[in-house]
This record gives sequence, C-alpha cells and structure tokens, in this order.
Amino acid sequence: GNSVTQMEGPVTLSEEAFLTINCTYTATGYPSLFWYVQYPGEGLQLLLKATKADDKGSNKGFEATYRKETTSFHLEKGSVQVSDSAVYFCALSDSGNTPLVFGKGTRLSVIA
Amino acid sequence: GAVVSQHPSWVICKSGTSVKIECRSLDFQATTMFWYRQFPKQSLMLMATSNEGSKATYEQGVEKDKFLINHASLTLSTLTVTSAHPEDSSFYICSARDRRVNTEAFFGQGTRLTVV
Repeated sequence: GNSVTQMEGPVTLSEEAFLTINCTYTATGYPSLFWYVQYPGEGLQLLLKATKADDKGSNKGFEATYRKETTSFHLEKGSVQVSDSAVYFCALSDSGNTPLVFGKGTRLSVIA
Repeated sequence: GAVVSQHPSWVICKSGTSVKIECRSLDFQATTMFWYRQFPKQSLMLMATSNEGSKATYEQGVEKDKFLINHASLTLSTLTVTSAHPEDSSFYICSARDRRVNTEAFFGQGTRLTVV
C-alpha cells in the first residue's frame, strides 16, 4: 500500500538557518504530493502541493520538488523565522475519494 | 483555498454524556469527509471515512457505536462521541475532499475534547 516516510524530529534551528525536511513515499501509480503545516492547537493548513513529476510547489518561502526517480518530496526553506515553528506533515493522495496518507510529522522549533 | 469549518473548537463534558462535533464545507461540495483523532505530539489517526448519503467506513479498532458519524448532506458531516469517557479526550479533526478531483484535502480547525 501507499506510505509516506518523513524525517523524525524535533528539529531545532536558529532564525535565518536553512531548513530541509526529508520526505519519501511509496505508491502505485502517480500520486499527488502535499506538505501541510499544523500550528499549536489548530488544524492542518495546506502549505504547498505538486501533482506530477518535476513539479515544484512553493509558498511562503517554502518549496518542494516532486522527484519521481527518487520518490521524494523534500521540503526546503532558505531562511526560517520563529513564526515557522510548527509541525510539518508530508502526505500523498492517489485519488479524490480516499484519505490522504500522512507521514508522522516533523516538529520544527526556530529560536531567535 | 476552500474552507472547512469545524465546531466547536473546544468542549468540556462530563463522563457519560454525548458530544457532537460538526464539520462543514463552506464553498464546495464535500462528497467525502474524513475524521481523524490526534494524540499529543503525534500524527493524525484516521478514524473513519464518510461519503454523503451512505454509511461511514470505520478504520480497524474504531468503535462505530462509540463514534457515530453522519454525512447527511454535501456540506455537513457530524461526529458524535457517545457516552464519553476521559480516555476519549483528544483533538479531533475533520477533513473534506471533492472526490471529482484529486486535489488536496481541506481541514477543519480541530476540536479539543476534554471529558471530566
């Protein structure tokens, strides 16, 4: 079955540091890939997405590229801010009526 | 993006009582909705999938008589925690999708349930 593996946290970075959160997936066919962010006490918000190989999703300085050859969708940001502190979830979907398959989440803490 | 509204955002109830949580899609037809439970500092655990007009499909280990799900319309699904006990205290999150397109799922704000 489909699965998502992402690096386990917590990750602690200083402000303006470079961020990478690794995500790899296993799926049949050609899934869509997503990164969601969860701030404390809130639901999940879509951060970015990519629907086909070589697509790059980007939003708020974050970006991730759909790499079919390495089955990866790593999240990157060049300069993190304290406000980026949250839990980040990588997810995939292979059809519109099935639940997303989530990774376990990576907690990011950015310190000033 | 589309908006999913979940209500209430938090609730405290006494043991033995029932609590209903609503999940509404505000600007699209949510043909499929999902209910998740999240324990502190953990990932989301899928509880059930509900399709409009049909019975919900529960994940293994989730008691369907305990967690009643109703998806009566294309914009509303409800989760009722019946005869709640302290171990039911958790963060519950709903998610909605339009099955006609393979797009992202949209999430409600979550409901923090505390059973005392």
